[in-house]
Amino acid sequence: EAGVAQSPRYKIIEKRQSVAFWCNPISGHATLYWYQQILGQGPKLLIQFQNNGVVDDSQLPKDRFSAERLKGVDSTLKIQPAKLEDSAVYLCASSPPGGGYEQYFGPGTRLTVT
Amino acid sequence: SQQGEEDPQALSIQEGENATMNCSYKTSINNLQWYRQNSGRGLVHLILIRSNEREKHSGRLRVTLDTSKKSSSLLITASRAADTASYFCATERSNAGKSTFGDGTTLTVKP
Repeated sequence: EAGVAQSPRYKIIEKRQSVAFWCNPISGHATLYWYQQILGQGPKLLIQFQNNGVVDDSQLPKDRFSAERLKGVDSTLKIQPAKLEDSAVYLCASSPPGGGYEQYFGPGTRLTVT
Repeated sequence: SQQGEEDPQALSIQEGENATMNCSYKTSINNLQWYRQNSGRGLVHLILIRSNEREKHSGRLRVTLDTSKKSSSLLITASRAADTASYFCATERSNAGKSTFGDGTTLTVKP
């Protein structure tokens, strides 16, 4: 079974530039998550999709972050414009729909904003 | 703020010893999960324990849950150098699939 795919693995940008991350979840997983993990901290949920609908985006900084999952499969997360404090690892995870399931994580994208 | 808090923040032991890490949380939960993260990698699921369960085992892993104390512990027996990683607990409060992660315990197992 193929795992969660993410690209790119690493990205370095200057502040005020824009960046986009891509995620392809495990086939059949209706729920997709984007997390931000700052060095030394646990993952913080940015947005949760079920199919192509948003379940929770309460911690997404909507003035600069956006995410979409148009066909209910892969997803993109965008930051525009980036700030220094956005430097982090962005993790994508997927799971079957509903609660009580483990989440399968991708390898993450390490973003450095200079 | 994070729902779960792991304790200790860091733990260093010798190979062969047991490692115990704890997780405390603030509100009632449906289930609690433990994940491992090797340096520079994504998280890997270890065990899920539901609110009506008290103990679960998986290989060298033993997880307990005390809902009255709002706490859980993860025990790794006969540790190996390959167990060196960060360990996170994640609590799920509803059936929506949303989990809240703590800041983890960093375990170092010395050969």
